[in-house]
Amino acid sequence: GQNIDQPTEMTATEGAIVQINCTYQTSGFNGLFWYQQHAGEAPTFLSYNVLDGLEEKGRFSSFLSRSKGYSYLLLKELQMKDSASYLCAVRDSNYQLIWGAGTKLIIKP
Amino acid sequence: DAMVIQNPRYQVTQFGKPVTLSCSQTLNHNVMYWYQQKSSQAPKLLFHYYDKDFNNEADTPDNFQSRRPNTSFCFLDIRSPGLGDAAMYLCATSIDISGANVLTFGAGSRLTVL
Repeated sequence: GQNIDQPTEMTATEGAIVQINCTYQTSGFNGLFWYQQHAGEAPTFLSYNVLDGLEEKGRFSSFLSRSKGYSYLLLKELQMKDSASYLCAVRDSNYQLIWGAGTKLIIKP
Repeated sequence: DAMVIQNPRYQVTQFGKPVTLSCSQTLNHNVMYWYQQKSSQAPKLLFHYYDKDFNNEADTPDNFQSRRPNTSFCFLDIRSPGLGDAAMYLCATSIDISGANVLTFGAGSRLTVL
């Protein structure tokens, strides 16, 4: 079966750096997405990786290693508004999006 | 602003009483999706339309139906809601289904079943 694993919950301090990991086992690979979802709201797109390496977008970066079936989302200079769930999703060989259950990130002052 | 709008944001219904949720988009995207998301779980795809072509997921119960009368609108009908159908229902759109096509989500419709 297809599977995406993410930690259920993480806690970090305002101003610090946090890395959220995602490992996947899917039927083929056509890209990996990270979405942010605040409680009770819809997911919003953060990043997309299809080639190995690091993609940087301001305070957020996303890394992909296809050979390891692994990605991480790196958040720098954490702000209270970054408290949210972070969802990892992989597009498989049939172009279906396989979603992880999300990592709830709690930011403490 | 181009966007995806869902109505109603909150819906309370009684066990077995039909419900219709609506989604409209001004993005002119070809693909419209309906997801069900329960607390702390991954979004679960119910079905999607590519233009007028309807694609039902194999494990979507018959209790869930959908209509897409035109490019801009899509409806989710829950014929006989059960307690297990209480969830957030997310509508999303994308230009295409392949590659880097990003999904744009509506704000969601939260369904409560009494």
